[in-house]
Amino acid sequence: LAKTTQPISMDSYEGQEVNITCSHNNIATNDYITWYQQFPSQGPRFIIQGYKTKVTNEVASLFIPADRKSSTLSLPRVSLSDTAVYYCLVGVMDSSYKLIFGSGTRLLVRP
Amino acid sequence: DAGVTQSPTHLIKTRGQQVTLRCSPKSGHDTVSWYQQALGQGPQFIFQYYEEEERQRGNFPDRFSGHQFPNYSSELNVNALLLGDSALYLCASSHYQGNNQPQHFGDGTRLSIL
Repeated sequence: LAKTTQPISMDSYEGQEVNITCSHNNIATNDYITWYQQFPSQGPRFIIQGYKTKVTNEVASLFIPADRKSSTLSLPRVSLSDTAVYYCLVGVMDSSYKLIFGSGTRLLVRP
Repeated sequence: DAGVTQSPTHLIKTRGQQVTLRCSPKSGHDTVSWYQQALGQGPQFIFQYYEEEERQRGNFPDRFSGHQFPNYSSELNVNALLLGDSALYLCASSHYQGNNQPQHFGDGTRLSIL
């Protein structure tokens, strides 16, 4: 059974770097890994997407090892407004192709 | 440039009823996906529509059906509602290339079943 696993919660302080890892053991060969941020009562918002190695944009970095069975979202110098739930999304091959969100990591940033 | 819009924002139904939720994709997008998000959980993929056809489907019963119109907008229909169908229903749009194009999400329809 395909699973996408993330830590349930993480605590951090303003200005620190936060790394959130997602395990996706059945990722489909040609699929990208995408990370989203979600605030209460809102839909998920795109953060970053990658296929392999490292991707960086203006808000985050994404690290993907060679076997692609996991990925790590890195948020540099978090602020209070980064308090949210973070999800990874991958396509997996189970009995058929499916899009699967991780269980989500609730990040709390303290002053 | 309007993003993904969903209607209604909230809806209350009773068991056994039927419901239709609507979604307009982001301008320029041709693919619409629907997700169910129960309270405190991650979104669960229901199905994806492209060129007015269902292309992929998650583990949802046939009570969940959909439609895509020529203007790329979409509807999600749920028949014979159960208490367990209470959730936030999210619509996402993208360009058609599987999961290799970022999906843009609406803010969802909160469906409550009494």
